[in-house]
Amino acid sequence: NAGVTQTPKFQVLKTGQSMTLQCAQDMNHNSMYWYRQDPGMGLRLIYYSASEGTTDKGEVPNGYNVSRLNKREFSLRLESAAPSQTSVYFCASSESRVQSPLHFGNGTRLTVT
Amino acid sequence: AQSVTQLGSHVSVSEGALVLLRCNYSSSVPPYLFWYVQYPNQGLQLLLKYTSAATLVKGINGFEAEFKKSETSFHLTKPSAHMSDAAEYFCAVNGGDMRFGAGTRLTVKP
Repeated sequence: NAGVTQTPKFQVLKTGQSMTLQCAQDMNHNSMYWYRQDPGMGLRLIYYSASEGTTDKGEVPNGYNVSRLNKREFSLRLESAAPSQTSVYFCASSESRVQSPLHFGNGTRLTVT
Repeated sequence: AQSVTQLGSHVSVSEGALVLLRCNYSSSVPPYLFWYVQYPNQGLQLLLKYTSAATLVKGINGFEAEFKKSETSFHLTKPSAHMSDAAEYFCAVNGGDMRFGAGTRLTVKP
């Protein structure tokens, strides 16, 4: 039972480069999320998708774009990476937006030099 | 907007001692509250959740949390710490999207 799968696990980018983080879930969940985790700040929501075909901004959306490709997949794109985007990125999914707990992937550690 | 505040970024206890991790919430409506645990190089895992059915919520690995509306608190406890409990713990509130506290790192001394 894979749950939430994120790729890649590690990535190093130079300032200005672009990349896409991939996320897929096999639990038939409706809602998917992207968070970033920085020391001492907990997890901050970047974007979420309440259901297939919809996406919305979270707390820290600047510099990111997302695509809900289908019910299973939700990707996060950095168009022009900046050192401030050095972080650990987590994808998560849930049955619904409010009552349901989140199921997390194991994260992508991104360094921008 | 709903939010949570975790008191203490680092808690250290001896093996066998009581674990108490503090969380206060801010919400204008009855909240959905959660505790998650994160082990090194892993994603977060659900420990327990409060959804108004009962004020004392039991979770996995012997943890429990009590919802106290008068104190706007949802503290996490475990009667006897094990070495395997060493991890980072996050309190969270969900009012449309999940918002997390800054986390508390638990160290367990032998």
